[in-house]
Amino acid sequence: DAGVTQSPTHLIKTRGQQVTLRCSPKSGHDTVSWYQQALGQGPQFIFQYYEEEERQRGNFPDRFSGHQFPNYSSELNVNALLLGDSALYLCASSFGFQAFFGQGTRLTVV
Amino acid sequence: QQQVKQSPQSLIVQKGGISIINCAYENTAFDYFPWYQQFPGKGPALLIAIRPDVSEKKEGRFTISFNKSAKQFSLHIMDSQPGDSATYFCAASTDSNDYKLSFGAGTTVTVRA
Repeated sequence: DAGVTQSPTHLIKTRGQQVTLRCSPKSGHDTVSWYQQALGQGPQFIFQYYEEEERQRGNFPDRFSGHQFPNYSSELNVNALLLGDSALYLCASSFGFQAFFGQGTRLTVV
Repeated sequence: QQQVKQSPQSLIVQKGGISIINCAYENTAFDYFPWYQQFPGKGPALLIAIRPDVSEKKEGRFTISFNKSAKQFSLHIMDSQPGDSATYFCAASTDSNDYKLSFGAGTTVTVRA
């Protein structure tokens, strides 16, 4: 079992650009959640996808959007990047209450 | 508004000692309380979790104590080892909220050899 995999591992973007991050869930997991973790802080919930629909959303602007595919993999899109979007973006997959995280994508906005 | 408050922010313990991290919550709907361990540059890894129907759960050197009336729970790391040096996060969720996790701010544990 490969666990939760995220790509890319790191990337650097310029202010105003758009970025897409990808996540493949753990085998058998049908729910994918995305979290933003700023340096030195706990992860903050962005949104959750289940059956290709956004089921829950945290306190993040509409610049953050996502998608879930029929194979349960997911994408996180961020438009009009701001310097403050620099963070570790974590994907978590779950089936029920237990959530397992990927290694994250480190996004740096310059 | 942080739904889970965690303390201390950091702690240093000698090898073989006990590390204790405390968390408190307000939302009485929370019914699942996991702890995650995170190493630098890595994602959080599920360490141990508890439901409010039990007061204590032990897995190896890690123990969760849960006090439902006080709305507090804690992680005890017994016989701390240098490899335990990491950041630990408590979290809470509820099935009525599709198990969206609310995290504490984290505790950085340093185990001195």
